[in-house]
Order: sequence, then structure tokens, then C-alpha cells
Amino acid sequence: TQLLEQSPQFLSIQEGENLTVYCNSSSVFSSLQWYRQEPGEGPVLLVTVVTGGEVKKLKRLTFQFGDARKDSSLHITAAQTGDTGLYLCAGALTPYGGSQGNLIFGKGTKLSVKP
Amino acid sequence: KAGVTQTPRYLIKTRGQQVTLSCSPISGHRSVSWYQQTPGQGLQFLFEYFSETQRNKGNFPGRFSGRQFSNSRSEMNVSTLELGDSALYLCASSTWAGPLNTEAFFGQGTRLTVV
Repeated sequence: TQLLEQSPQFLSIQEGENLTVYCNSSSVFSSLQWYRQEPGEGPVLLVTVVTGGEVKKLKRLTFQFGDARKDSSLHITAAQTGDTGLYLCAGALTPYGGSQGNLIFGKGTKLSVKP
Repeated sequence: KAGVTQTPRYLIKTRGQQVTLSCSPISGHRSVSWYQQTPGQGLQFLFEYFSETQRNKGNFPGRFSGRQFSNSRSEMNVSTLELGDSALYLCASSTWAGPLNTEAFFGQGTRLTVV
């Protein structure tokens, strides 16, 4: 059972376009994280959101946590070739403790930005 | 501050052999988790260690095992290798500094190929 569904699975766009990727679940998360992974490397943390309705901005990236803390979105404005990579969302199921065992990953969205 | 170090980066083994992978977490991090990443299944949790104790375990067969040493370094072992064990194995460390601190810092991974 996949607790975290990410969509779309693949996305290919031209440089300068905007895009949104989604992370959805029927479970409530105490926090949710977004990572970016490049081929042959480990995922790198982009942001953590913890409050329902929270919006965080990281330069051209905007992250939103749903009001019910069950879903999240990542919006990229004016995509660049350097944004290419696998975007993973990960939800923490328990508010108590930092046990990685409760960190559930989605399968990711593979983004390709063409020049 | 050094990041998470995994060794080796690449490994080729034959079916039936066993393999040991190593992970050195970020200094001061006491929680170490292991994940298996494949194109079809995405990131799947193997187990997590904290202060030399396994706190959580994913849904993998007993051929997959791990341990953590007093200096927080961790190893994972896979015995009787199968072709399906070919994957990128990722180690992640965390401070576990508070109830909502679940951010994972990943190493570059070990690419295991079973032939």
C-alpha cells in the first residue's frame, strides 16, 4: 500500500515554464518534507512544512502543506535546466520522536527541464 | 562539517554471495536509517538504528540485517544475494533533536548490482 501518491510521475517541460507537482495521502502527517535527487546521488532536503495551510518559498520554489495535513504541492516558477531531477515528498506519521521509521516516501516525480 | 559517507559507492556481486555496506553519519547524529531505492518501488525503508538499537524495521526479509556501533557508524548486511537485490542503498542520518525533527540527511548511496 502506497501511503503517499505523487503526481505526475514524469514531467517534461521547456525552460521558463511553470509547473506544479502534487503529493497526496489519506493519512495525516505531523510534518512533510520535499527532497530533490539527482542521478547517482542521495536525496537532498529542500524544505519541511509542519503546519496545516503553511506556505514556504525557496527562491522560485513554493511549497504548500494542505489544511488537513494530508497533502502538499510544490510549484516551480520559470523552471531552469538545473531544476531537473527526481522530486520526492516524505511524510512523518507520528508527532513524537524523529524516528525515520515513520518517514514515508512517495515514489517521486521525475522532472526534465529542456533548454 | 562532513556529510553522510557511504562506502563503497559501487559494488558488483554474484547471486548467493553476501555483502556489507557501511555508513558514517554526520557528526553528532545518533539516528541512522537505511533505504533501498529501485525504479519500480521507489525509496523503501529497511531499518533505523538509534544509539546502537534497532528502533524500526521495514518489510524486508531476514536476509537484510544491520547494526550500529557506539560511534554511530552503521553497517547493513545482505546475505544470499538475489538478482532483485540490485538497487541503490541509501543511508540517512538525523539528529532526532525534537519531536518534529525528522529531516533526513542522505549519503550518496551504494549502487549494488547482483549478477
